[in-house]
Amino acid sequence: GESVGLHLPTLSVQEGDNSIINCAYSNSASDYFIWYKQESGKGPQFIIDIRSNMDKRQGQRVTVLLNKTVKHLSLQIAATQPGDSAVYFCAEIYNTNAGKSTFGDGTTLTVKP
Amino acid sequence: DTGVSQDPRHKITKRGQNVTFRCDPISEHNRLYWYRQTLGQGPEFLTYFQNEAQLEKSRLLSDRFSAERPKGSFSTLEIQRTEQGDSAMYLCASSLNLAGGTDTQYFGPGTRLTVL
Repeated sequence: GESVGLHLPTLSVQEGDNSIINCAYSNSASDYFIWYKQESGKGPQFIIDIRSNMDKRQGQRVTVLLNKTVKHLSLQIAATQPGDSAVYFCAEIYNTNAGKSTFGDGTTLTVKP
Repeated sequence: DTGVSQDPRHKITKRGQNVTFRCDPISEHNRLYWYRQTLGQGPEFLTYFQNEAQLEKSRLLSDRFSAERPKGSFSTLEIQRTEQGDSAMYLCASSLNLAGGTDTQYFGPGTRLTVL
């Protein structure tokens, strides 16, 4: 149930497996990156962020990896649960003073019990 | 609930009518953003405010769209002479932007607009 490197529009995993969701961003000068989770009918929910001077950051059950060489972000979810089923978006911010987020293509994660 | 709130949650209107949406940000946040999201796509930036000043507008924001944040708190987004292509989810987000800090945006539940 894992996919490394390639962005996939959908990902299906078994409950308890680890998930890896990938994202390519567009601007090599972007300063700040965020992963959001969006459930049906709701707004995006902040999961984890990372600044461009870091290459890894860990949260609770989630890890974000940043590879600036190839402009790639990944979100790793450990021990995926049915409640993790949602659409996941990465967003880049060119400059935190400029503010606006540019969102990547989403990945729909489905967790099978 | 101290999150971002939006009103209404759903709006159905006829083509040519005007609509107005409201966003109430998290109270201490100085930045407020509007995005538009169509089915299956990520949110697209429309405009943002720092306090009451509108600092940037996307080319997506045609002259039929106007946004205000008159007192630096809540904001309104108005669409005049709506078209069917305006049908989308309109999302509001807010952030506390401090010098040297990050700009983590927290989103509201959105207003879903359907233009018939």
